[in-house]
Amino acid sequence: QLVLQESGPGLVKPSETLSLVCTVSGASIGSGYYFWGWIRQSPGRGLEWIGSLYPGLRTYYHPSLQSRVTLSVDTSRSHFFLKLDSVTAADTGVYYCARTKAGHTGFDFRGQGTLVSVSA
Amino acid sequence: QSVLTQPPSVSAAPGQRVTISCSGSSSNIGDTYVSWYQHLPGIAPKLLIYENNQRPSGIPDRVSGSKSGTSATLDITGLQTADEADYYCGAWDSSLNEYVFGTGTKVTVL
Repeated sequence: QLVLQESGPGLVKPSETLSLVCTVSGASIGSGYYFWGWIRQSPGRGLEWIGSLYPGLRTYYHPSLQSRVTLSVDTSRSHFFLKLDSVTAADTGVYYCARTKAGHTGFDFRGQGTLVSVSA
Repeated sequence: QSVLTQPPSVSAAPGQRVTISCSGSSSNIGDTYVSWYQHLPGIAPKLLIYENNQRPSGIPDRVSGSKSGTSATLDITGLQTADEADYYCGAWDSSLNEYVFGTGTKVTVL
């Protein structure tokens, strides 16, 4: 059974870099067929897709975040990473990792999410 | 502001039915699969429907999805208090080259 665990610092200072890790168990990140994505929800707002990565093939980013975000994987350690540069208070929220079939047919959220606050 | 529009709220009594609409365009719903999510406060969203009308394992058959043209619909019958949550549709938008979530609908069980 797929299990995802998001982790990272709960507090990040403005202008710094946010780094999150999604630990994957019950599936192999490098086995193909799936995109691995990050989605967030800021306070009072709906769900926002950040980006998706198909290991070794393709990465998509939200156009408004593309200049600041990097997704990567370490298949040997079953880790999936999010790096978001130059954060502001608007980046505060709960961050989720999830998996979807190629074609983005639906994200399967199997973690709890991790809360990130951007504050001095 | 999302390109997928949902009603802000719907409500019904226990045992009744709610229908949530998701209106998009030819570059998203009209072009690819729609999915639906249930989001309760403090926990991760749950995938209810994928590929327009497919239910993941564990999702009861009183939850169903459909798509017609550039719109999609989520139906929940036999409404339960546990169904009180926010619901989002989602689809890939080929013009924006991004995955888009709907504006969200709050379901209230009266």
